[in-house]
Amino acid sequence: AQTVTQSQPEMSVQEAETVTLSCTYDTSESDYYLFWYKQPPSRQMILVIRQEAYKQQNATENRFSVNFQKAAKSFSLKISDSQLGDAAMYFCAYGKRYGGATNKLIFGTGTLLAVQP
Amino acid sequence: DVKVTQSSRYLVKRTGEKVFLECVQDMDHENMFWYRQDPGLGLRLIYFSYDVKMKEKGDIPEGYSVSREKKERFSLILESASTNQTSMYLCASSTPEGGRGRAFFGQGTRLTVV
Repeated sequence: AQTVTQSQPEMSVQEAETVTLSCTYDTSESDYYLFWYKQPPSRQMILVIRQEAYKQQNATENRFSVNFQKAAKSFSLKISDSQLGDAAMYFCAYGKRYGGATNKLIFGTGTLLAVQP
Repeated sequence: DVKVTQSSRYLVKRTGEKVFLECVQDMDHENMFWYRQDPGLGLRLIYFSYDVKMKEKGDIPEGYSVSREKKERFSLILESASTNQTSMYLCASSTPEGGRGRAFFGQGTRLTVV
């Protein structure tokens, strides 16, 4: 069974600094997606960034980038130039690429990020 | 804009009641999910559905059932609510290929069982 592990329950960063959130996963599949979602106090889940496992190039979305190490099954999120609005719970997630009965979307336990002014 | 709508944002029910949580999506997505979110435990999958009338158990299905009679609607049923089912419930939908796996979430239902 697939699992997703986030080993940092809480992190803190100074405004304008850089922070990295860690995520590891376990799967026997070769074709899948990995995601980082953000959940602010409003509770609405927001997609931050997505990585397709078949792509070697790390995904980047403005100040957010990932370090995807497929062999190590590691998928960390780097937030550059942190802003107060980045404060939220961050979830790492895994999903198989193709549909059907095994197409579960599995989440980690989350990392609560605080941004200090 | 894409939308996943959960029928209630807050709900208070009594122990032993049958509880229905409704979720509707307007994106014609094949997959729909029900998660439970508790502090320190993240999002745990209760059930998911990959097609009309098709369902699969997630990691914590005990005490819950689901119904998907139409593609756009996925209902979570607590047959006899108990206090340990007090939690935040999140519904999501996705399409495997066209949406590149991305899930869209509802706003969540905070259920309190007293």
